Amino acid sequence: GESVGLHLPTLSVQEGDNSIINCAYSNSASDYFIWYKQESGKGPQFIIDIRSNMDKRQGQRVTVLLNKTVKHLSLQIAATQPGDSAVYFCAENVGGSNYKLTFGKGTLLTVNP
Amino acid sequence: DTAVSQTPKYLVTQMGNDKSIKCEQNLGHDTMYWYKQDSKKFLKIMFSYNNKELIINETVPNRFSPKSPDKAHLNLHINSLELGDSAVYFCASSQDRTDQPQHFGDGTRLSIL
Repeated sequence: GESVGLHLPTLSVQEGDNSIINCAYSNSASDYFIWYKQESGKGPQFIIDIRSNMDKRQGQRVTVLLNKTVKHLSLQIAATQPGDSAVYFCAENVGGSNYKLTFGKGTLLTVNP
Repeated sequence: DTAVSQTPKYLVTQMGNDKSIKCEQNLGHDTMYWYKQDSKKFLKIMFSYNNKELIINETVPNRFSPKSPDKAHLNLHINSLELGDSAVYFCASSQDRTDQPQHFGDGTRLSIL
């Protein structure tokens, strides 16, 4: 569904559940992808990244999956906590050697205690 | 210590005025960026500077003029402010390579009356 006003895709989960946020990217030549978390009143905060020569990368409680065949990126958050509530953005480097990030629309994650 | 810092955090001014936003990074990065985030949270690159040289200019009106006195600073001057300039402006920085994340400041919320 969409959040009224912001028109962002939304995901609502219970505390402790796993969350999956999806992103379709646009450029098949993109070679680097990043997930950012943006809390209210703050700038985007780096979560995890992945290069195009990989299909999976794990961090602390987060995993990024890359499917180049269908140009799809996902962020999995394990044991979601209330502090994970934020807007999540995927970004792709479309600029090649001129590092230029194009951001996705953003997904609003709400974690219910 | 704040890695990427912007001033001011809030800027309220009247249409037609000229204003500047300052950005400094203490990460030793070579490349700095300005992004604009609209009311729908859409985040779009405006400019990129590498070692004080402009490398990306995303068809931004020439009322917007970035200036980089050294590689740790990238300022944004806006002439003849218009209502549509109301947004949150983010500064970011990165290493001069395309497989490292960009680090963002906490934004400057610009409101035009």
